[in-house]
Amino acid sequence: GAVVSQHPSWVICKSGTSVKIECRSLDFQATTMFWYRQFPKQSLMLMATSNEGSKATYEQGVEKDKFLINHASLTLSTLTVTSAHPEDSSFYICSARVGSGSVGNEQFFGPGTRLTVL
Amino acid sequence: AQKITQTQPGMFVQEKEAVTLDCTYDTSDPSYGLFWYKQPSSGEMIFLIYQGSYDQQNATEGRYSLNFQKARKSANLVISASQLGDSAMYFCAMREAGFYGTASKLTFGTGTRLQVTL
Repeated sequence: GAVVSQHPSWVICKSGTSVKIECRSLDFQATTMFWYRQFPKQSLMLMATSNEGSKATYEQGVEKDKFLINHASLTLSTLTVTSAHPEDSSFYICSARVGSGSVGNEQFFGPGTRLTVL
Repeated sequence: AQKITQTQPGMFVQEKEAVTLDCTYDTSDPSYGLFWYKQPSSGEMIFLIYQGSYDQQNATEGRYSLNFQKARKSANLVISASQLGDSAMYFCAMREAGFYGTASKLTFGTGTRLQVTL
């Protein structure tokens, strides 16, 4: 299957700083990328959907000014957690999909980034 | 209402035995897709199997099969001949076709933690 990479795999930062997480589709062009957040022992919660070259669509309750998403190319999307606080500590997973019209289009997931805010 | 329901927070199965993980879904969209993912402790999401709402036969992928009962809106995952490496979280997910033929986001259930014992 296709490969999605994330960098960094884990990050520890101080409260108030900003953290950027990169998501790359390595061997395919992703028309749509998704960002999820997963708290311990919980399910994946979709934060936002982004299409290359357009603004991300955020889910209800997700602060777009805090979680900045940039989908600069068909192979790269970035999530920036601005002014991070301890409650932002979580596992962030990106996912990429080719095409959009079919329910069966497979989504490929990155390995995740574990963010710890002190 | 929950779109995807996984009622088993945890399951145990003995090695080499078969196990069924339950998943029920709720949708009024006639076109949808159902997915199962495995998430080991490392955090990566591994795609296991897909079933389309119009598929006549139950999906199978190696030791994984999906028991699709459309009228009951259930899509249970069956793992045959369990192995120790099958110990992980398992998530059921659904994507609806939505309006205008543009498939919507993946919605995940709360997951089932499977533990395979000797």
